[in-house]
Amino acid sequence: NAGVTQTPKFRVLKTGQSMTLLCAQDMNHEYMYWYRQDPGMGLRLIHYSVGEGTTAKGEVPDGYNVSRLKKQNFLLGLESAAPSQTSVYFCASSYLWLAGARPEETQYFGPGTRLLVL
Amino acid sequence: AQSVTQLGSHVSVSEGALVLLRCNYSSSVPPYLFWYVQYPNQGLQLLLKYTTGATLVKGINGFEAEFKKSETSFHLTKPSAHMSDAAEYFCAVTSGTSYGKLTFGQGTILTVHP
Repeated sequence: NAGVTQTPKFRVLKTGQSMTLLCAQDMNHEYMYWYRQDPGMGLRLIHYSVGEGTTAKGEVPDGYNVSRLKKQNFLLGLESAAPSQTSVYFCASSYLWLAGARPEETQYFGPGTRLLVL
Repeated sequence: AQSVTQLGSHVSVSEGALVLLRCNYSSSVPPYLFWYVQYPNQGLQLLLKYTTGATLVKGINGFEAEFKKSETSFHLTKPSAHMSDAAEYFCAVTSGTSYGKLTFGQGTILTVHP
């Protein structure tokens, strides 16, 4: 299994350009997430999906859109890139299982995409 | 609401010394707690997690963490540091009731000196 993969690994954009980041997982996970990582701020959730065809906003959704047309893929789009979106973007996936009274979940992360917006 | 605070953005130890990375959390419901490790230019890898049951949790690479409810802490330890432990470590919390609500701490960079 490849686990969680991300495309591309690195990209440079000019302000105002658009792009799409692709995340793919081969673990048949229901849930997928997009995070951004900035120095000293840990990881912050951008958007997530609890199943094919569904998406929801996370902590920092502004300036991003997502789509989950297939269970194994989760796309993150930047319609008009801004320098503030320079970051490292991580995708993660997980599944829930019932363990006692509450569900358990562990997220598995991709290798990341470094994005520089000039 | 939930939050995580990692005390110390940088920790430096000598090879063979004890590693202690501190994590305090706040959660309105009983938490699930995680430690992830990130090696340079790589993604995050799960070290260990606490959900229910035994409060002392053992993970990979000789790391362990103890959940202390009274102190709202989940500190990560390793008895003897190895050069290969140099990485950034993240503590994270989720309530287990809201999908996608994994909240991360700011991260602690561990440096190991020979």
